[in-house]
Amino acid sequence: NAGVTQTPKFQVLKTGQSMTLQCAQDMNHNSMYWYRQDPGMGLRLIYYSASEGTTDKGEVPNGYNVSRLNKREFSLRLESAAPSQTSVYFCASSPRGSRAPLPFGPGTRLTVL
Amino acid sequence: GIQVEQSPPDLILQEGANSTLRCNFSDSVNNLQWFHQNPWGQLINLFYIPSGTKQNGRLSATTVATERYSLLYISSSQTTDSGVYFCAVEKYPNRDDKIIFGKGTRLHILP
Repeated sequence: NAGVTQTPKFQVLKTGQSMTLQCAQDMNHNSMYWYRQDPGMGLRLIYYSASEGTTDKGEVPNGYNVSRLNKREFSLRLESAAPSQTSVYFCASSPRGSRAPLPFGPGTRLTVL
Repeated sequence: GIQVEQSPPDLILQEGANSTLRCNFSDSVNNLQWFHQNPWGQLINLFYIPSGTKQNGRLSATTVATERYSLLYISSSQTTDSGVYFCAVEKYPNRDDKIIFGKGTRLHILP
């Protein structure tokens, strides 16, 4: 049982480049989330998916797209990276309604030059 | 949406001291969790505590749901307790339900 996994762990991009952050969970959770963490800002929700086939914007969705490929996988895409997107990105999942702790992935540290 | 406020934002203590971290939230919630982010960035779930009191070793947490706050107690602090402590809340079932984090309390334990 791997929990929540994220790839890559580190990435450096140039402004304007695109990339996709991958997240997968093996706990059969319905809900999945993408957060970004910036110094002094805590964790801010980018997008979430309450169930397979649905996605919704969070607090800071601009510049990102997501795809809930299936129940296990939830990817985050940066179409044209900007320096303001330099951050640490965390993926999380939740059984939603089952009242259980929220497991997080290890994070992806992204730098946009 | 729900607002989550944590206090204090920063806390510096000597090893062995006790501390209390507070989390206030603006609406009733179904789920409340405390996390510790260690200096390596890893997020560790400490407590799932929508109400009541729980204890785990030197750490304990109390949530008073009717008054919309939760407290995290750390006794006999150790340097390994350093890091950022986050409170996160969730309200469901709700079309707009999502997990909202506070900005955290940064704790630094001096040897």
